Amino acid sequence: GDSVTQMEGPVTLSEEAFLTINCTYTATGYPSLFWYVQYPGEGLQLLLKATKADDKGSNKGFEATYRKETTSFHLEKGSVQVSDSAVYFCALSDNTGFQKLVFGTGTRLLVSP
Amino acid sequence: DAGVIQSPRHEVTEMGQEVTLRCKPISGHDYLFWYRQTMMRGLELLIYFNNNVPIDDSGMPEDRFSAKMPNASFSTLKIQPSEPRDSAVYFCASTTGGYGYTFGSGTRLTVV
Repeated sequence: GDSVTQMEGPVTLSEEAFLTINCTYTATGYPSLFWYVQYPGEGLQLLLKATKADDKGSNKGFEATYRKETTSFHLEKGSVQVSDSAVYFCALSDNTGFQKLVFGTGTRLLVSP
Repeated sequence: DAGVIQSPRHEVTEMGQEVTLRCKPISGHDYLFWYRQTMMRGLELLIYFNNNVPIDDSGMPEDRFSAKMPNASFSTLKIQPSEPRDSAVYFCASTTGGYGYTFGSGTRLTVV
């Protein structure tokens, strides 16, 4: 079945450092790809998405590019802030019409001042 | 819109008791999902509905778990009887199709 693999956390960075969180996927068709963020005590929020190969999703300084050839959707940010500390989830939708999302295990990001 | 609304936010119950979690999806969203989140197992999809009809309940762990969606604006997840291993955060999410879910704030369930 479809699956998503994320890098293990926690990722610990100093403020203004460059962030990369790796995500690779396995899917039989042409999935849509997502990054969600979960702040402490809250539900998941959609951060960005890409629906086809070579699309770049971006939001709040975060970016991710849908790479079909490497089946990857790595999350990047040029300069992280303490407020970016959260858990980040990569996910895919198989586009069968039933809108089912498959999530990765999440990667915790800790940013120190 | 107030978003996806879940109640209660926190629930503490004794083993063997019945627990009912509630969810109000965003108006107009025709898909509703129930997830469970634990440290050990991460996010698990329990069941989801389309137009109030259950589509896939293969993630429901045991017969002790049941979910209903009597109308487009309300869903329940019931655990009877509850066990300590059911302790988790339970999330409801909805979508209209297209791309991306809206999650509720979750119900933190503790079974003692």
